[in-house]
Amino acid sequence: DGGITQSPKYLFRKEGQNVTLSCEQNLNHDAMYWYRQDPGQGLRLIYYSQIVNDFQKGDIAEGYSVSREKKESFPLTVTSAQKNPTAFYLCASSMDRGNIQYFGAGTRLSVL
Amino acid sequence: AQKITQTQPGMFVQEKEAVTLDCTYDTSDQSYGLFWYKQPSSGEMIFLIYQGSYDEQNATEGRYSLNFQKARKSANLVISASQLGDSAMYFCAMRELNYQLIWGAGTKLIIKP
Repeated sequence: DGGITQSPKYLFRKEGQNVTLSCEQNLNHDAMYWYRQDPGQGLRLIYYSQIVNDFQKGDIAEGYSVSREKKESFPLTVTSAQKNPTAFYLCASSMDRGNIQYFGAGTRLSVL
Repeated sequence: AQKITQTQPGMFVQEKEAVTLDCTYDTSDQSYGLFWYKQPSSGEMIFLIYQGSYDEQNATEGRYSLNFQKARKSANLVISASQLGDSAMYFCAMRELNYQLIWGAGTKLIIKP
């Protein structure tokens, strides 16, 4: 089955710790995205990547980092610089930028 | 200024009735796209329907249709014959010229049996 897999489903971060959220897709899509969702709000774009080895900051990139070494994978690291990381994180992909985005099941990050 | 406005934080609808979820948008671009997504309690965002700004006919996908009124800058989602499984959050999003999606705050829809 083609789709987008995010792991883990739940993640806990200790103060000062970096954590990495995984996102893998087997849809052969070129573009991938990371969004943050807070309660009662729409999604906000953290980072996106149009092709391998290239990525761009979104609206709220501070405190986050990404890599795109393989077409299938777009991991997101929440660094200790992100002071309010508690949120629901969604990864998406699309055939190319501007096309319909398809989403994974999300990772819920909490701070211990 | 908000670019996507969903004025209904929550709605209750009787099963089998039709429901309209409101979405208004603000853009000065001539070329843009409008999307509706469904988010069940499980969290995954599910794509429902898309309307391009130059599309002359309203988009339809099964029980979903998009009531696109360009002059009023509205893109309302209509769900016909609602089902219990339609209970979820619904988000409207707009794709601007830079291809970025701008999202509304969502509407929580609850279908009553």
